[in-house]
Amino acid sequence: EIVLTQSPDFQSVTPKEKVTITCRASQSIDSSLHWYQQKPDQSPKLLIKYASQSFSGVPSRFSGSGSGTDFTLTINSLEAEDAATYYCHQSSSLPRTFGGGTKVEIK
Amino acid sequence: QVQLVQSGAEVKKPGASVKVSCKTSGYTFTDYFMHWVRQAPGQGLEWMGRINPNSGGTKYAQKFQGRVTVTRDTSISTAYMELSRLRSDDTAVYYCARDYCTSITCLFDYWGQGTLVTVSS
Repeated sequence: EIVLTQSPDFQSVTPKEKVTITCRASQSIDSSLHWYQQKPDQSPKLLIKYASQSFSGVPSRFSGSGSGTDFTLTINSLEAEDAATYYCHQSSSLPRTFGGGTKVEIK
Repeated sequence: QVQLVQSGAEVKKPGASVKVSCKTSGYTFTDYFMHWVRQAPGQGLEWMGRINPNSGGTKYAQKFQGRVTVTRDTSISTAYMELSRLRSDDTAVYYCARDYCTSITCLFDYWGQGTLVTVSS
């Protein structure tokens, strides 16, 4: 099973600040890494696919990078609506696994 | 537009079974695998299993082997997840998620709204 380790677990950020979330895989997963945003009482929503490609309709302030074992989600100029928990997810092999999540709070 | 609509909340006693449905529309049901993911209160996302709607073939997480059964009814474009021998720690929101695959890899592009299953005596 591929373990995804996300950091940090929690981040309190002021609007317009930059947010960086990292995800490390226990073995190489090439670019089979995706990022989801989940707001309270909502389903996860796809933000970034294949490590670095923005999903349709996602604001340009969200970007992703990385390949192999180390990945990063960046939110440039955080907005109040970005308060959520962010998860990385690997689709390289079964079982499909998720990172533990990073909760982003707006100060 | 693609829609995955799940059945409503359930309350079950320990030892019982629950069956959650995921009715799809807006695409060809048999063209995309369907997965089930759960989320316990205040916790992260946990993959449970998936079905190939075309063949009916399934794969399950080892943790749920023997307790989970994923099925489908292609005539009504609906997938089901049944979990048996429920315990209190099965209390969670259960999601279905469509698997969009390219030649390179797959990803969950659409999710159901979630079904809360509460296990309590």
